[in-house]
Amino acid sequence: EAQVTQNPRYLITVTGKKLTVTCSQNMNHEYMSWYRQDPGLGLRQIYYSMNVEVTDKGDVPEGYKVSRKEKRNFPLILESPSPNQTSLYFCASSFRTSGRPSTGELFFGEGSRLTVL
Amino acid sequence: SQQGEEDPQALSIQEGENATMNCSYKTSINNLQWYRQNSGRGLVHLILIRSNEREKHSGRLRVTLDTSKKSSSLLITASRAADTASYFCATDILTGGGNKLTFGTGTQLKVEL
Repeated sequence: EAQVTQNPRYLITVTGKKLTVTCSQNMNHEYMSWYRQDPGLGLRQIYYSMNVEVTDKGDVPEGYKVSRKEKRNFPLILESPSPNQTSLYFCASSFRTSGRPSTGELFFGEGSRLTVL
Repeated sequence: SQQGEEDPQALSIQEGENATMNCSYKTSINNLQWYRQNSGRGLVHLILIRSNEREKHSGRLRVTLDTSKKSSSLLITASRAADTASYFCATDILTGGGNKLTFGTGTQLKVEL
C-alpha cells in the first residue's frame, strides 16, 4: 500500500530536549516536505527536498533541521524544542513531473501532534 | 502573508446544495491543487489544475482557474454530509531552490442534513 508514515504520532516533551520526527514514503517520490499546522494559520511549509541531498527552507524553518540521505526518508529534527513549536506536523511526498519542473499530487502522512512543555 | 487565501473562511450549507470556495494567490504558478482535510487527519488530494488549463472536473468537483485574476474556485455539487471538512488550495511555484507548494488557510465546510 502506498503510504507516508510518520512517527511518533503523538509526543509530549519538555523544552530543550532534542527530538526527531521520522517520515518515510514507499512510493519512490523525489519530492518531500514538512508542514506545520496551527489554528487559523493553515499549513506552513518548514523545509522541503527536491531529491536526495537537496533540501531548502520553506516559510518557517527556524528551530528545525532536516536531512535527506535516502530517497525514502526525510526526518525532521528539533534540536532544542520550545513551546512555540507545539503544533501538528505533516510530512508529504510527491513525484516531480517531467518537463517543466512542478510538484504533482502530494501524499500526506497522518500527522504528528507535538506538545512542548 | 500566505501565497494562497481561501474565501470564505467558513461555509455552512444544507445537504444537496452546491458549495463554492475561492482561492486567490499572488505570484505566477505551475499548477494549483485542492486538498481536503477531515478534522485532525492528513490532507487528501482532490484535483490538480495546470497553469494552462481553465477548468477541470472530477466527479462532483469542478475547479476553474483564472491566471489573469490569479484566482481559482472549487465547486462541490449536490453536497453530502460526508463532504464536511476543511478544504485547502495549494499553489506550486518555481523558486531558485526548486518547487514550492504553498497552502492557504483553508475553508471549513459544514454540510447539514
